[in-house]
Amino acid sequence: EAQVTQNPRYLITVTGKKLTVTCSQNMNHEYMSWYRQDPGLGLRQIYYSMNVEVTDKGDVPEGYKVSRKEKRNFPLILESPSPNQTSLYFCASSCQGSYEQYFGPGTRLTVT
Amino acid sequence: AQSVTQPDIHITVSEGASLELRCNYSYGATPYLFWYVQSPGQGLQLLLKYFSGDTLVQGIKGFEAEFKRSQSSFNLRKPSVHWSDAAEYFCAVVPWGQNFVFGPGTRLSVLP
Repeated sequence: EAQVTQNPRYLITVTGKKLTVTCSQNMNHEYMSWYRQDPGLGLRQIYYSMNVEVTDKGDVPEGYKVSRKEKRNFPLILESPSPNQTSLYFCASSCQGSYEQYFGPGTRLTVT
Repeated sequence: AQSVTQPDIHITVSEGASLELRCNYSYGATPYLFWYVQSPGQGLQLLLKYFSGDTLVQGIKGFEAEFKRSQSSFNLRKPSVHWSDAAEYFCAVVPWGQNFVFGPGTRLSVLP
């Protein structure tokens, strides 16, 4: 089954404790992206990747890192999480140029 | 400022009634246009998209949307709403040379 998976689905952590949210897709998509969803703001793009070893900042990259060492994986790293990063995070992927993004189920992160 | 707006934060309709969700954008050139649906606890699913051509596009689940260049709008419609349509709906655009920009979303409630 074609899908985008994210782990963990729920995470509660404390300020400053490094964490990684994993994202994996099995559709051989070139393009992958991370979004955060906050009430009244819709989805805002954090980082995206056009292919392996090619990443770029989205609209709200501060406080986040990403890497793309393999085509299927695109982890999101919070080196020193802060409470303002409490949000719902979505990973998405698509074929290059198709613009039809497939979304993962989301990761709800709470930073206390 | 360039943006995507969805004027209605929350809409309630009765089951069987018609539905129209509004979306307006402010970009110089017509961007690619999308509607996504997010069911409770789920990721986003693409309902339909418009790139060019016929301004009335058909999507999944009985939805359609009409692009009106003069109004910079891309409104989503459904002639008869089902209880399972209760969800949050996001309009999204891809301006030329840029990445996805999502609207703030409209939450749809359906009365039995």
